[in-house]
Amino acid sequence: KAGVTQTPRYLIKTRGQQVTLSCSPISGHRSVSWYQQTPGQGLQFLFEYFSETQRNKGNFPGRFSGRQFSNSRSEMNVSTLELGDSALYLCASSVGLASLNTGELFFGEGSRLTVL
Amino acid sequence: AQSVTQLGSHVSVSEGALVLLRCNYSSSVPPYLFWYVQYPNQGLQLLLKYTSAATLVKGINGFEAEFKKSETSFHLTKPSAHMSDAAEYFCAVSDRTGGFKTIFGAGTRLFVKA
Repeated sequence: KAGVTQTPRYLIKTRGQQVTLSCSPISGHRSVSWYQQTPGQGLQFLFEYFSETQRNKGNFPGRFSGRQFSNSRSEMNVSTLELGDSALYLCASSVGLASLNTGELFFGEGSRLTVL
Repeated sequence: AQSVTQLGSHVSVSEGALVLLRCNYSSSVPPYLFWYVQYPNQGLQLLLKYTSAATLVKGINGFEAEFKKSETSFHLTKPSAHMSDAAEYFCAVSDRTGGFKTIFGAGTRLFVKA
């Protein structure tokens, strides 16, 4: 069974640009969560999608957005990039249904974004 | 609101010594609790989870954790450290609706000395 796949693995952008990151969850998983990981702030929750709907959102500005497609694949977008957006962005998938979900998250290897 | 506090951003042990990584949680509802491990340049991997069955939970690689409701703690232990255990460890909590919003602690980096 293939794991969670994130693309691209590494990217470099300049301030003011925008970026789109992609995440393909484990087959059968309908929930996708996104996290930002930085040395200073640790793992910060961005948002969670289930069946194309955002169910939960963290405390990030509106420059951070996401979406989920009918095949459960998800993308997140960051517009007007700032230096502080440099981070490892992690995607995690799970079953997503309370009746079946033990809460475990399956993580991809992340997309490392550097903003210059 | 849920939160997790990990005591000690860095822990150093000698190979063969006991590993103890501390985690305290706050949750208004009975929680699910997790420990994840992250190796350099990789995503997080589940070590073990507590979902209200036995309070002593055994995980992979010889790790275990004990849920103590009275102390709101979920400390991670391993009797004998191995060099390969050097990594960053994260404690996490989610509500019992199951992972809709999992909150992570700041992480503890474990160093293992030869």
